[in-house]
Amino acid sequence: AQTVTQSQPEMSVQEAETVTLSCTYDTSENNYYLFWYKQPPSRQMILVIRQEAYKQQNATENRFSVNFQKAAKSFSLKISDSQLGDTAMYFCAFALHDMRFGAGTRLTVKP
Amino acid sequence: EAQVTQNPRYLITVTGKKLTVTCSQNMNHEYMSWYRQDPGLGLRQIYYSMNVEVTDKGDVPEGYKVSRKEKRNFPLILESPSPNQTSLYFCASSTTGGTNYGYTFGSGTRLTVV
Repeated sequence: AQTVTQSQPEMSVQEAETVTLSCTYDTSENNYYLFWYKQPPSRQMILVIRQEAYKQQNATENRFSVNFQKAAKSFSLKISDSQLGDTAMYFCAFALHDMRFGAGTRLTVKP
Repeated sequence: EAQVTQNPRYLITVTGKKLTVTCSQNMNHEYMSWYRQDPGLGLRQIYYSMNVEVTDKGDVPEGYKVSRKEKRNFPLILESPSPNQTSLYFCASSTTGGTNYGYTFGSGTRLTVV
């Protein structure tokens, strides 16, 4: 079974700085999807970014980008120019037939 | 608006009293799933459904039931709730692949069993 590991339970960053959240996963499959979801205090699950494993180019969405290292099974999220509204729990997820999540990283952006 | 509607948002119940959490999606998605979220454990899958009348167990199915009689609805049933089922529950739906593949989540149900 696929597993997803987020090794940083909590992180903090100063407003306007850059922060990177780590994620590793384990699979023997070749084609799959990877995601980062954001969960603010409202608890809504919000899709931040998606990466298809067959695409070598790293996905980007405005201030959010990923570093996808397929061979290393690593999928980190970089948040540039951090904003107070980025304060949330962030979940890394792997999807093949269904979606599996890491334990989450709680990110706090400090003013 | 494309969405997954989950009700109720909050629920406090007593041990052993049957309850149902409803989930409905308006996107004609084939795939629906239930997760529970607990601190330090992330989201763990309870049950999922690939289509009408097709359901299967996830990682933590004990104490839960589901049904998929219509494509849009996927209720979660706790026939005899226990305190260890106190958790935050999410329903989600998706297509089965493609460029825009990804889950759409409901707003969550905070369940407390006393």
